[in-house]
Amino acid sequence: GAGVSQSPSNKVTEKGKDVELRCDPISGHTALYWYRQSLGQGLEFLIYFQGNSAPDKSGLPSDRFSAERTGGSVSTLTIQRTQQEDSAVYLCASSPSPQVNEQFFGPGTRLTVL
Amino acid sequence: RKEVEQDPGPFNVPEGATVAFNCTYSNSASQSFFWYRQDCRKEPKLLMSVYSSGNEDGRFTAQLNRASQYISLLIRDSKLSDSATYLCVVTPRGGSYIPTFGRGTSLIVHP
Repeated sequence: GAGVSQSPSNKVTEKGKDVELRCDPISGHTALYWYRQSLGQGLEFLIYFQGNSAPDKSGLPSDRFSAERTGGSVSTLTIQRTQQEDSAVYLCASSPSPQVNEQFFGPGTRLTVL
Repeated sequence: RKEVEQDPGPFNVPEGATVAFNCTYSNSASQSFFWYRQDCRKEPKLLMSVYSSGNEDGRFTAQLNRASQYISLLIRDSKLSDSATYLCVVTPRGGSYIPTFGRGTSLIVHP
């Protein structure tokens, strides 16, 4: 079956612009996670969804970052007024439920802020 | 102290070698443990879960030591295709179930 998909695969933007990143999880997966990974760094947790609600937003680095999930499926991560330090690969993962710990990752969106 | 710590490496080994990585975790209430593999510029993929009794999958063996709070991954008969970064992942018991990823250990297998 189809895996997790993310779009766009690459995004180059200018400092100060807003960007929207999209994640399509595996069908039926109720848990969805957003991470970011800077070059040579580990995965940084951003936000977690269970269904359409986000019980844990603790990883969002600032109020410029927001995310939503609709219909228990597609999620979008929005970064407003992008800064150069936002440049990273943004990874989305889904799992059948939060208690099922195996996560299936999408290929990521590589964001470059000039 | 970081929640999950790994030696970043790189571990540079010849084909056929046996190599082992350790990962330590700080939360004694951690429940689930995993090793993920991440190839260069690719997404992480689950390699194997780590069970209390230890588990083996072909050339790969994972073990958990709860008393000392570490997990290990042993790779026997290394192949060139094993070259990747290996991420240790620890999930808490209950609560938000948010996994914590280590920064990874880089393995380079050379001919």
